[in-house]
Amino acid sequence: KNEVEQSPQNLTAQEGEFITINCSYSVGISALHWLQQHPGGGIVSLFMLSSGKKKHGRLIATINIQEKHSSLHITASHPRDSAVYICAVLMDTGRRALTFGSGTRLQVQP
Amino acid sequence: DTGVSQDPRHKITKRGQNVTFRCDPISEHNRLYWYRQTLGQGPEFLTYFQNEAQLEKSRLLSDRFSAERPKGSFSTLEIQRTEQGDSAMYLCASSLVGTEQFFGPGTRLTVL
Repeated sequence: KNEVEQSPQNLTAQEGEFITINCSYSVGISALHWLQQHPGGGIVSLFMLSSGKKKHGRLIATINIQEKHSSLHITASHPRDSAVYICAVLMDTGRRALTFGSGTRLQVQP
Repeated sequence: DTGVSQDPRHKITKRGQNVTFRCDPISEHNRLYWYRQTLGQGPEFLTYFQNEAQLEKSRLLSDRFSAERPKGSFSTLEIQRTEQGDSAMYLCASSLVGTEQFFGPGTRLTVL
């Protein structure tokens, strides 16, 4: 079983829809990252959080440490949001590298 | 500074050849990470440096792989005797202690 699981694996939405991507993890963590990857490979960090909720523009990330679960929400989705969204955790074992989920491929149709 | 850069962006090689990739981190970042990503999967950790010291290596990093960061700035990742299974995107990231990681554009390796 992977230490970081994401759902859904693939998601197709219509422009304007509210989108939720989920991430569950089975290990103790010190931080969780949400990353965005566009075709061609470039990865952009969206959020790093260890508790509560963060908001940036139309993106909202939440984390529940007790339930070992995080969600990424996109409000008023747009075709330019089409990308792969990756959840990654920094384990609390002292390891400094990220452990990644396999990503959620989002396609927003106009 | 425009961010993390990687060179080359694409590399096609024949099985058995050696390849070397370079990563230039954001200049003040003391941590540098190498990851590998195969198609449809999330990245997997390979190795990480703090300054010039290589502090952790994944079991994925076989003896054909070697990484260096000689002056604590840029880093190189060499793969010797490449195999078709080495075909992947090789990603570099850098950070300060305790902060988020910033990723480079990646080097896509194809081994024929």
